[in-house]
Amino acid sequence: EAQVTQNPRYLITVTGKKLTVTCSQNMNHEYMSWYRQDPGLGLRQIYYSMNVEVTDKGDVPEGYKVSRKEKRNFPLILESPSPNQTSLYFCASSFSWDRVNEQFFGPGTRLTVL
Amino acid sequence: GQQVMQIPQYQHVQEGEDFTTYCNSSTTLSNIQWYKQRPGGHPVFLIQLVKSGEVKKQKRLTFQFGEAKKNSSLHITATQTTDVGTYFCALRRSNTGKLIFGQGTTLQVKP
Repeated sequence: EAQVTQNPRYLITVTGKKLTVTCSQNMNHEYMSWYRQDPGLGLRQIYYSMNVEVTDKGDVPEGYKVSRKEKRNFPLILESPSPNQTSLYFCASSFSWDRVNEQFFGPGTRLTVL
Repeated sequence: GQQVMQIPQYQHVQEGEDFTTYCNSSTTLSNIQWYKQRPGGHPVFLIQLVKSGEVKKQKRLTFQFGEAKKNSSLHITATQTTDVGTYFCALRRSNTGKLIFGQGTTLQVKP
């Protein structure tokens, strides 16, 4: 089944404790992206990757890191989480970046930073 | 930078009534996408519009792209409880991989 998976789905952590949210897709998509969703603000792009080893900042990259060593995986790293990073996070992928086409979203990761 | 405004933020309708959400941009768009997110779920792609004045229909949903390609709308005829959710428009900044989403319109349908 074609899908985007994220782990963990729920996470409660404390300020400053490094964490990684994994994202994987099995559709051989070139483009992958991370978003955070906060009430009243919609979806805001954190980072995106147009292909392996190619990543770039979205609108809200501060406090986050990403890597794209393999086509299927695009982990989101919070080196030192803070309470303002409490949010719902979505990973998404699409076939390519230069032809706008539908993005497939993962199920989301609800992160709480105390 | 390129911004997109989506209105209204919330809409409550009686089942059977129509519903419309609008996306407006200050700059000309190359294309626009629409997504639906059910409560507790993830966004799901509905459609992509590319051409000026384009109108596309999916059953009771009608999507329009403005003649000037600066605005778009999603209209639902005779809403049903299954239409409940948040509807987002999304656009890509030209020549980049950056995607911008509207703030979303949350639709509640009273049976």
